[in-house]
Amino acid sequence: AQKVTQAQTEISVVEKEDVTLDCVYETRDTTYYLFWYKQPPSGELVFLIRRNSFDEQNEISGRYSWNFQKSTSSFNFTITASQVVDSAVYFCALKAGGYQKVTFGTGTKLQVIP
Amino acid sequence: SAVISQKPSRDICQRGTSLTIQCQVDSQVTMMFWYRQQPGQSLTLIATANQGSEATYESGFVIDKFPISRPNLTFSTLTVSNMSPEDSSIYLCSVGAAGWNTGELFFGEGSRLTVL
Repeated sequence: AQKVTQAQTEISVVEKEDVTLDCVYETRDTTYYLFWYKQPPSGELVFLIRRNSFDEQNEISGRYSWNFQKSTSSFNFTITASQVVDSAVYFCALKAGGYQKVTFGTGTKLQVIP
Repeated sequence: SAVISQKPSRDICQRGTSLTIQCQVDSQVTMMFWYRQQPGQSLTLIATANQGSEATYESGFVIDKFPISRPNLTFSTLTVSNMSPEDSSIYLCSVGAAGWNTGELFFGEGSRLTVL
């Protein structure tokens, strides 16, 4: 079975602060993919990143960075120098092995206060 | 990437009625998925709709309640039948990216249903 846990329900930060969103996953498959999606207030889900289980390199894209650690089954997402436009719900997701289903975490609502 | 359009974007419905949501994609895709997002909750997969075959439903979802059509590679519909207030949710259509095996999904804007 696949499971994704986002323990942080809501986070509030002041603009320009750094913030890390946690994601812990469970799967018995050795081949899997991890994702982060952003859902702004408008409602549409926006794909941010995909990581496969064989690539543990951390990735940086502008103010966004991702830390994938298989040893702790975690795929954390850090926003540096947060901005008001980062306010959204962020979902971590998992697709394992040959399963067609993508399993989503419960989401973390991030509020960036000006 | 794929551009996905959903109709209606929102609707208010009466208990006991049915509503059909349309999903149009700007390119041909093999796999389409319908998700439900209840207020403040995560996304739950309702069913997978492949063209030319019956939709595959997840546990807890049945065809009588959520019939799905997939007449071609760019279009699908989801009907929410005999609605009750518990069906108030955002319903999202999504498609797999090219090379679906990697699991990347593109989503429509969602259809926000409120059942009174």
